[in-house]
Amino acid sequence: EAGVAQSPRYKIIEKRQSVAFWCNPISGHATLYWYQQILGQGPKLLIQFQNNGVVDDSQLPKDRFSAERLKGVDSTLKIQPAKLEDSAVYLCASSLVGSSTDTQYFGPGTRLTVL
Amino acid sequence: GQNIDQPTEMTATEGAIVQINCTYQTSGFNGLFWYQQHAGEAPTFLSYNVLDGLEEKGRFSSFLSRSKGYSYLLLKELQMKDSASYLCAVRGTNAGKSTFGDGTTLTVKP
Repeated sequence: EAGVAQSPRYKIIEKRQSVAFWCNPISGHATLYWYQQILGQGPKLLIQFQNNGVVDDSQLPKDRFSAERLKGVDSTLKIQPAKLEDSAVYLCASSLVGSSTDTQYFGPGTRLTVL
Repeated sequence: GQNIDQPTEMTATEGAIVQINCTYQTSGFNGLFWYQQHAGEAPTFLSYNVLDGLEEKGRFSSFLSRSKGYSYLLLKELQMKDSASYLCAVRGTNAGKSTFGDGTTLTVKP
């Protein structure tokens, strides 16, 4: 079974530029999560989708971050414009049901450096 | 909201046993996860506890006490490859949302 795919793996941009990340979850997984992980910290949930609907985006900085999951499969996360403090690893995860007991499977992440 | 505390760093010797603790305060609880994360890699699932008690899985065991807001991950017969960060995550009652601790970096020495 293929795992969660993410691209690109690394991205370096200058502040005020825009960037987009892509995620393809495990086939059949209805729930998709985007996390931000700053060096030395645990992952912080940015947004959670159930199929193509948003379940939780309470910690998404909506003035600069946006995410979509068209057709309930792939997802993109965009930052526009980027700030220095956005430097982090952006992790995508998926789970089969989205209930309180299912396990999340993580992709390899995209390491973003904002200069 | 949820608050999760773990020690920042631990060091242990190859072949030994180590216990990594996690304490949490939460307004709603629906399970606790442990993940392993090697440097530069994604977290991988280790264990899940929703009822009190010990769950054993090979060299790794996880314990939960809901009344105390406490869990630990026990690693036996430590190997060098166990050097990693161990993340405690609490799942709330809101649509499966999990909150992660900042992780415990374990270094296994020969």
